Formats: sequence, structure tokens, C-alpha cells
Amino acid sequence: AQKITQTQPGMFVQEKEAVTLDCTYDTSDPSYGLFWYKQPSSGEMIFLIYQGSYDQQNATEGRYSLNFQKARKSANLVISASQLGDSAMYFCAMREGPHGSGGSYIPTFGRGTSLIVHP
Amino acid sequence: ETGVTQTPRHLVMGMTNKKSLKCEQHLGHNAMYWYKQSAKKPLELMFVYSLEERVENNSVPSRFSPECPNSSHLFLHLHTLQPEDSALYLCASSQDVSGSSYNEQFFGPGTRLTVL
Repeated sequence: AQKITQTQPGMFVQEKEAVTLDCTYDTSDPSYGLFWYKQPSSGEMIFLIYQGSYDQQNATEGRYSLNFQKARKSANLVISASQLGDSAMYFCAMREGPHGSGGSYIPTFGRGTSLIVHP
Repeated sequence: ETGVTQTPRHLVMGMTNKKSLKCEQHLGHNAMYWYKQSAKKPLELMFVYSLEERVENNSVPSRFSPECPNSSHLFLHLHTLQPEDSALYLCASSQDVSGSSYNEQFFGPGTRLTVL
């Protein structure tokens, strides 16, 4: 079973409007972390925002906010006031653990959502 | 230089060649990662090093051989690759492999590999 599910392969949004990118996750671990990354066409993955499972408030970073609904196991990314430069692939990731005998915490990534911002 | 750098950015090689990908991080991190990103596939974790010790090896074919000589450098040695190995290879680093808050990964720009 997939740990991270991103059901929207592609999304379109008009410049200056808000857009929500969906992410659901599956874990039985009470302690986990959720991340969103942006990957422009240049290839480099850029960290956007983090939400810990015990955080009481939804994370926000500038125009990015995370709509964290723990009971539904969803961690949707909201981008407000979209800009042309927001066009990119967006990946949701979850860190749970520990893995294996070494006790490492390694993130698992979803398949990503391609966002295109129209002028 | 700052952040995570990768060289080369593009590589074309034949199936009988031997080449190496290099990753360097200037962030003082203790963990480094290799990922493979193929078209229409999820990001695949290949190897994880923590303090120069390999802590994760996800059933990667032996034609891929990682090396971590110190906490700032990570190599991926390639030999007798197959065309299906063509992909974007991403290197990342993080403070460590703990479950502490944030501890986000910082990625390099990737090496676009084409195997003929």
C-alpha cells in the first residue's frame, strides 16, 4: 500500500488565485512528520513547509500553508496568490520510523502533482 | 559554494562504460542520500549514509555502487548500466536521520543520466 497518495497528477490555476494540492498518508506511527517540496523544471527539489504530527496549529510559510487534518490523514498544501513561478511539480513526503536496525527516519515521497499557473 | 552541488549535471554513457556521479554538501549535515527519479515513477530512495556509514540500501542493483568518504561527499559509481537506468539522479542531505522536527532534506540539482 502506498504511504503517500497524491491523487492529482496535474492541476491548473489562474495567476493570483489560490490552489490546493491534495496529499493523504497512511501510517500507524503516532509520531511522524509531513513535508512538501517543489521541483521546478531545473530539477532541484526545494523544501517548502513542514508539519509535525503533534503540532497543534497548521503550518504556514509565506504564501504556503498546510491544511492538516489528522483524523482524515490528509496534509493538503494551499498556495495563495499563485504566481507564474509557482509552476512546478509538487511532492508530499512523510517521515515515520524508525527504519530497520539502525533506527533511521527516512522520508517517503508521493508521485507528485504538476501545477501550471496561467497568466 | 553553498547548499548541495552535483556533478556532472548531464551524463551520456554506453552500457560498457564506468562513470561516477559526485555530490558535495556545504551545510555541515551528517546524512546524505541518493535518489533515482524516472519519468512517471515515484522518487526512489537508493542509498542513505549517516556519518559515513550506510544505513539504508533499498535493493539496488550492484551496478550502482555508493561511496561516502566523509560527511560532505557522496559518490555513486556506475558500471555496465542498462538503458532503463536512464533517469535523474538526485542527491540530498539532512542534519541527520533522526525523527526530530523539521530535519528537512536539501537537494542538489541532479544529474540527468542517459544510458545508450
